[in-house]
Amino acid sequence: AQKITQTQPGMFVQEKEAVTLDCTYDTSDPSYGLFWYKQPSSGEMIFLIYQGSYDQQNATEGRYSLNFQKARKSANLVISASQLGDSAMYFCAMREETGNQFYFGTGTSLTVIP
Amino acid sequence: GAVVSQHPSRVICKSGTSVKIECRSLDFQATTMFWYRQFPKQSLMLMATSNEGSKATYEQGVEKDKFLINHASLTLSTLTVTSAHPEDSSFYICSASRGLNSGNTIYFGEGSWLTVV
Repeated sequence: AQKITQTQPGMFVQEKEAVTLDCTYDTSDPSYGLFWYKQPSSGEMIFLIYQGSYDQQNATEGRYSLNFQKARKSANLVISASQLGDSAMYFCAMREETGNQFYFGTGTSLTVIP
Repeated sequence: GAVVSQHPSRVICKSGTSVKIECRSLDFQATTMFWYRQFPKQSLMLMATSNEGSKATYEQGVEKDKFLINHASLTLSTLTVTSAHPEDSSFYICSASRGLNSGNTIYFGEGSWLTVV
């Protein structure tokens, strides 16, 4: 089974609008961390936001927020007030406490339209 | 600023030659580093986990004799693509974690574009 599932291969959003990128995960480990990374065309991976499985509140970092629904095993990324520079690939990832491996989703390509 | 540095960012080599890619953690000691390969518009594929002072752990299907990984110090891991062929052309990216806890953020290098001609 896929550890991380991103069902949106491509998304479009109007500049200044908000957009939600979906991510669901699968783990039986009670302790885990969820991450979102942005990958522009240059290839580098930019860390955006982190959510721990025991965190009571949803993580926020500037225009990024993580809609964490533990029972549904979803960790959607919300980008508010989209900017043209937000156009990139976005990857959801998970790290389990018991292992060292980092699991990635297949990514969502976001295009911000002026 | 970058906490993990990868070099070179782009390299072109002739078929049959070997090429080395370095991954350095700049301001922390990384007991574990990861090497990934990424094909165009696809997710990152974990190739191997590099552990300082011990042999790397390779993922299924990754040839350990072709992709040599050395983690000689707590701040440096190298990936050597031996006898490179055009099908090895890809984007290779490394990452390092400050610790083993699930909450430790994993930082990525800038990535290396390898073209084998």
